Amino acid sequence: AQSVSQHNHHVILSEAASLELGCNYSYGGTVNLFWYVQYPGQHLQLLLKYFSGDPLVKGIKGFEAEFIKSKFSFNLRKPSVQWSDTAEYFCAVNGLGNEKLTFGTGTRLTIIP
Amino acid sequence: DTGVSQNPRHKITKRGQNVTFRCDPISEHNRLYWYRQTLGQGPEFLTYFQNEAQLEKSRLLSDRFSAERPKGSFSTLEIQRTEQGDSAMYLCASSQGQGVTEAFFGQGTRLTVV
Repeated sequence: AQSVSQHNHHVILSEAASLELGCNYSYGGTVNLFWYVQYPGQHLQLLLKYFSGDPLVKGIKGFEAEFIKSKFSFNLRKPSVQWSDTAEYFCAVNGLGNEKLTFGTGTRLTIIP
Repeated sequence: DTGVSQNPRHKITKRGQNVTFRCDPISEHNRLYWYRQTLGQGPEFLTYFQNEAQLEKSRLLSDRFSAERPKGSFSTLEIQRTEQGDSAMYLCASSQGQGVTEAFFGQGTRLTVV
């Protein structure tokens, strides 16, 4: 069975601070990894994804994530956050060939102007 | 708007009533997924269609739940004899292609069972 852990439930940062949100997964095979964002009142949107190749992937709005296979991690980073980044962030995984996405419990990010 | 569309956006129902939700995927997307999200949790997989075939169902999908996707286009999710524990956001997503793909989500239907 696949599972995802997001240890930071609520993160509060000031504008311009650097961000790193943790994501660890459990799965016994090749995985695809995703970060989704949900802005207040909006639907889930894909931030970035890792399928294969370069383990450092860049997404929209200046976000990036690094896949570290040995640590089963896919942490999300942004060097300088903005107030508009206030949202809930979900890490998700699916095993290769498996169409089911397994999500973490999410991290609520609050940016203080 | 050419994204995934879900109706209704909100539904309040009395315990024991049946409810049906509709999802219109992005045109030509052959895969359609239903997820459920409760407060403080991430979305949980319920079921998945490829075209009109329902290929996988979660153990979360009790026999009170049924999903259909006639003709491989829109999908409906019906909950019979609703219970308070069914209160949640029901999300639909669609994707295209085979193998590695990404899912596009709708805004969801929020169900409240009173």
